[in-house]
Amino acid sequence: GENVEQHPSTLSVQEGDSAVIKCTYSDSASNYFPWYKQELGKGPQLIIDIRSNVGEKKDQRIAVTLNKTAKHFSLHITETQPEDSAVYFCAATSRGSTLTFGKGTMLLVSP
Amino acid sequence: GAGVSQSPRYKVAKRGQDVALRCDPISGHVSLFWYQQALGQGPEFLTYFQNEAQLDKSGLPSDRFFAERPEGSVSTLKIQRTQQEDSAVYLCASSSTTANTGELFFGEGSRLTVL
Repeated sequence: GENVEQHPSTLSVQEGDSAVIKCTYSDSASNYFPWYKQELGKGPQLIIDIRSNVGEKKDQRIAVTLNKTAKHFSLHITETQPEDSAVYFCAATSRGSTLTFGKGTMLLVSP
Repeated sequence: GAGVSQSPRYKVAKRGQDVALRCDPISGHVSLFWYQQALGQGPEFLTYFQNEAQLDKSGLPSDRFFAERPEGSVSTLKIQRTQQEDSAVYLCASSSTTANTGELFFGEGSRLTVL
């Protein structure tokens, strides 16, 4: 089955800095890579996703890049704000298989 | 309702008790998933329903875990003879698509503590 590794496990940045979270996956058949944000006491919420037919996707301050050859993908958050503080999960799947999550990255943005 | 609703939000059980966790998905969503999230970990897949059919239960950790969705809407996850290692947050998610490559809408979870 799919195995997703995520790092770092914790990340502290100053407000306005950029944050990068990286993930690797094992199953070359995976073709869908979402990122979820989980705030304390809440369920995860999708913030951005990318499919294997593109290498990069951007949505305002958030971007995701995908390298299928190396089997890794990354989340980039620019101009971080305190409300970006949360746990972020990467995940990978392909049609017919289940979504496998990484262990999460706790992002802390200090004012 | 507007989102996925789970109840109870918190459940404390003594070891050996049976528990039932309820999930009310977004109206019209055909797919429903149960995940288990241990403290400080990512969600781990338990089981998947498409309408009332349980298509994948490969993630259920033992035969003490049972899930159903009899009318293709509300789902119940039942854990029999609870053990301490069952302590976790149980997340339910629904999706409007039948593919596994669509957005999942998660509830806030049911936190189970087994003493």
